[in-house]
Amino acid sequence: EVQLVESGGGLVQPGGSLRLSCAASGFTFSRYWMSWVRQAPGKGLEWVANINQDGSETHYVDSVKGRFTISRDNAKNSLYLQMNSLRAEDMAVYYCARDVSALDIWGQGTMVTVSS
Amino acid sequence: DIVMTQTPLSLSVTPGQPASISCKSSQSLLHSDGKTYLYWYLQKPGQSPQLLIYEVSRRFSGVSDRFSGSGSGTDFTLKISRVEAEDVGVYYCMQGINLRTFGQGTKVEIK
Repeated sequence: EVQLVESGGGLVQPGGSLRLSCAASGFTFSRYWMSWVRQAPGKGLEWVANINQDGSETHYVDSVKGRFTISRDNAKNSLYLQMNSLRAEDMAVYYCARDVSALDIWGQGTMVTVSS
Repeated sequence: DIVMTQTPLSLSVTPGQPASISCKSSQSLLHSDGKTYLYWYLQKPGQSPQLLIYEVSRRFSGVSDRFSGSGSGTDFTLKISRVEAEDVGVYYCMQGINLRTFGQGTKVEIK
């Protein structure tokens, strides 16, 4: 079964850091681009970042540039999102998704709460 | 940056009746490779988003043929031929030609 499972969410203070993980299974992870998408409480979807197959190319939405870093470990079939200098507006459910231009497979999401 | 604008933002539909959602992009989504990078997703209550339509009109695996997509360039439409209770949720369009951008979402409910 093709599956993505996110982890690492939690409560963090403004200015703090958090690292999200996404474990992939059921497909050849190293062959695909991957994306992170977030959804603030009661709001719509916002694409955050993506990364190519070998990690050599990454792209970010302007609001997270310089603060978030997307990376991957193909040996571990895992995708990561390092989030630094977190702000209240970063509070959201974060989804990882397989990116074939369409985001065709999604995880269940992990909640990030930014609050003092 | 490409802006995606959906209308309406909410829709109340009688079961068995059709529904239509419009999505307009601020730039053409037609790529030089001949493909148009427009997608539709449905997020059912309490669930992750799921892909319905890719490249304007191609139904994703397992998606009911009650769903159809059309359009070109900057104007796109998602149609549900006969709305069923299981279709409730928020529908999003997304462009994939330049990074990724979602529309605001259209909430569909049953009357």
